[in-house]
Order: sequence, then C-alpha cells, then structure tokens
Amino acid sequence: DGGITQSPKYLFRKEGQNVTLSCEQNLNHDAMYWYRQDPGQGLRLIYYSQIVNDFQKGDIAEGYSVSREKKESFPLTVTSAQKNPTAFYLCASRQITGIASYEQYFGPGTRLTVT
Amino acid sequence: SQQGEEDPQALSIQEGENATMNCSYKTSINNLQWYRQNSGRGLVHLILIRSNEREKHSGRLRVTLDTSKKSSSLLITASRAADTASYFCATPQGAQKLVFGQGTRLTINP
Repeated sequence: DGGITQSPKYLFRKEGQNVTLSCEQNLNHDAMYWYRQDPGQGLRLIYYSQIVNDFQKGDIAEGYSVSREKKESFPLTVTSAQKNPTAFYLCASRQITGIASYEQYFGPGTRLTVT
Repeated sequence: SQQGEEDPQALSIQEGENATMNCSYKTSINNLQWYRQNSGRGLVHLILIRSNEREKHSGRLRVTLDTSKKSSSLLITASRAADTASYFCATPQGAQKLVFGQGTRLTINP
C-alpha cells in the first residue's frame, strides 16, 4: 500500500450524518485522488487534486467534498446529500512534477457502511 | 467516458496453469496500466506499457498491447495461489486522470 495511509479501515455511520475519511501520504506526491468502489465493480473517480488549495471534481462528485490544505493530506467528506454512501473508498497519489510517473499509489481503503 | 473493459469478468484455474485477461478501450492512449487488488485491499501497480510498445515482461507477467485493435492482454504464467485477486486495466483520461475497467476476478485453485 506504499506510503499512503487511510483511516479508519471500517467506518459505520447513521444515515443523515456527515463523515470524513482521512488520507495521508508521505511520498511527497503532488497529485492525490479519491475513488469509490462498489462490490464487484471498478473504481470511479470522486475528486482529485494536483496542488495544495486546488481540486477538481471527478465523475461522481455529487454528495462529496474535499480539501487540500497540506500537500500530504486530502480528506474526503461524505455528506448526507450522498444518496448511496455505503462503499469502499480508496485514496491514491501520483508524482506529476520532476520525475513524473503515470503510476498511482493506493492506500488500503476505508469501508464505509451507512445504515 | 473512455474506459477499459476486462474480459472475462471471472476466471478460475488450477495452480500452475497460465491465466490470460483481456482489456479493450475506446480511444487513443499513450499508455495502459495493469493493477492488482487483493480482496478488501488497495490496488497495486503491476506494469505499464506505452503505446509504442507491443509487449512487456515483468517476472511471470507478460503484457501485450495492440493499438490497432485497442486492446491489451495480461498473461500470468505458472499461476500460484497468491495470484488470486482482481486485476484491472487503466487508461489515461487527459493528463491527470485514470479510468479503470470493471476488473477480472482471478481465482487460483490449489
């Protein structure tokens, strides 16, 4: 899982509550990404950030929010507006300046269950 | 949106056999990547093949790319129980994003 940590591994919330998922990387990577994975499915991009204090919506940003106040941190908030929040959430990072690489490094994921 | 689609969706073979997974994509790319995901874990990058390459090897992995057919294949030779995982192809969308396919679930039976 490289130098990316996600916490907690499992998270349970009641419907209507906002919840924040943590993602921290010590790889000094510029870009960070949040994906959602549903059972038996591929990854769908929620948000990504190429630089501190800037981020862009991915394909399924509705009901989610992010911040990028520090290079190493990219927390994701799942708001009560997200209709089906139960899923596996994956954070990733990539180096895009200097010796750039196409490869993304992934964290271990957070499984969110909302009831 | 551009997306890789893996085939088959699931594959079950005996240990020691070779496993082949295929990926098709829709538009021109400059590279294609393969990732592995063990159950309940994050993805791990396996190999990247560039558009000017036709074949690439890494240990027991062999990846081919046919840009005329917009397809790639991942071959795992002499499979082991530890190869049991889901395998995803990923293609670039713009300069910053990757689009992942649905994945192939590979089961290696002892």
